[in-house]
Amino acid sequence: DAEITQSPRHKITETGRQVTLACHQTWNHNNMFWYRQDLGHGLRLIHYSYGVHDTNKGEVSDGYSVSRSNTEDLPLTLESAASSQTSVYFCASSDSTFYGYTFGSGTRLTVV
Amino acid sequence: QKEVEQDPGPLSVPEGAIVSLNCTYSNSAFQYFMWYRQYSRKGPELLMYTYSSGNKEDGRFTAQVDKSSKYISLFIRDSQPSDSATYLCAMRWGADGLTFGKGTHLIIQP
Repeated sequence: DAEITQSPRHKITETGRQVTLACHQTWNHNNMFWYRQDLGHGLRLIHYSYGVHDTNKGEVSDGYSVSRSNTEDLPLTLESAASSQTSVYFCASSDSTFYGYTFGSGTRLTVV
Repeated sequence: QKEVEQDPGPLSVPEGAIVSLNCTYSNSAFQYFMWYRQYSRKGPELLMYTYSSGNKEDGRFTAQVDKSSKYISLFIRDSQPSDSATYLCAMRWGADGLTFGKGTHLIIQP
């Protein structure tokens, strides 16, 4: 069965370190998205991609970057982790109709 | 003012009751409206998808969109304890990512 997987499930890192969160989908979806979810803010869009080599900034992109070298993967990199980036991160994908995004199970990141 | 407003709850109702969940929005360009259900420590899963105004029914769930009032609703009939979760409304107007409400925490009491 097709799926979207995120790794790691949990991560603790130190302030200033570079961190990469992985997202891999086997739906063959062109569109992929990264969201963060925080109490009091809900889900906020970080970056998104409509296909290989395409990336776009979302609402809260500062301090984050993505690259898309193939259809299946959209890794999210925190260039220099900050405590404000402690959050739960969700990856999602959709086909060209954009009907309903499929979400991964999330990565819980703690920056100490 | 946030683009999408949703009461965070918690909303607690007895088993078997009809549940009404609501969102209001400010961007009149929104055309596509969705409801997601999220269980604790899980990713959101799509429940309902509607385009423009009107009603859509799927089993015990009914989604309603009133674009003139910028108001969307999700009704759950014959609520079950397994419906206890956080319900997120979401919407978009073009090809950009979804804009989410903050979610309503729903508790169905057995």
